[in-house]
Amino acid sequence: EVQLVESGGGLVQPGGSLRLSCAASGITLTTYWMHWVRQETGKGLVWVSRIKSDETMTMYADSVKGRFTISRDNVENTLFLQMNSLRVEDTAIYYCAITLSASWYGPLDSWGQGTVVTVSS
Amino acid sequence: QSVLTQPPSVSGAPGQRVTISCTGSSSNIGAGYGVHWYQQLPGTGPKLLINGNTNRPSGVSARFSGSKSGTSASLAITGLQAEDEADYYCQSYESSRSGPHVVFGGGTKVTVL
Repeated sequence: EVQLVESGGGLVQPGGSLRLSCAASGITLTTYWMHWVRQETGKGLVWVSRIKSDETMTMYADSVKGRFTISRDNVENTLFLQMNSLRVEDTAIYYCAITLSASWYGPLDSWGQGTVVTVSS
Repeated sequence: QSVLTQPPSVSGAPGQRVTISCTGSSSNIGAGYGVHWYQQLPGTGPKLLINGNTNRPSGVSARFSGSKSGTSASLAITGLQAEDEADYYCQSYESSRSGPHVVFGGGTKVTVL
């Protein structure tokens, strides 16, 4: 069974940085797209970024482009999200998720429980 | 504002059938991308409910079914149960200059009366 566990969230001031991690178990990540999705308290799901299995392609929502960087370590089975120039509006629960096929358009088959990021002065 | 449009809420009595619509455009659902549905119980991460418009992953109850037509999709829940009370999200893809992006609906809260 696939398990995804996020970490690295916390309280940071506007303009600050955080690095989120997502450790995977029960699966080897080398074949699959991985994603970051966020959710503000009481609001809906918002896609943030995704990365291809071999890291040759990354994509970002316009709201984070140029500030966030997605990466992965397939040896350590871990996904990362480097978040710089953080804004108050980046406050949310951040989920990692995986598409369990090589398809570019597959579903987000499995999700973690999320890590909370709070941007506040 | 979400790219895909869902009703904010639907409700039904136990045993009833409810449907949740998901309306997109020719840039996403209408472009041929599949629609996937997720259930999110309070305080938990989302769970895949339907993939590729109509397919139920292993372990998902047959009371859940999906359909797609043109630029819209629907999720139906039959024999509504108290445990179905949750938020439901549709998801598809949309072409962009940097490649196909993931898009979600705004979510629909299902209340069992």
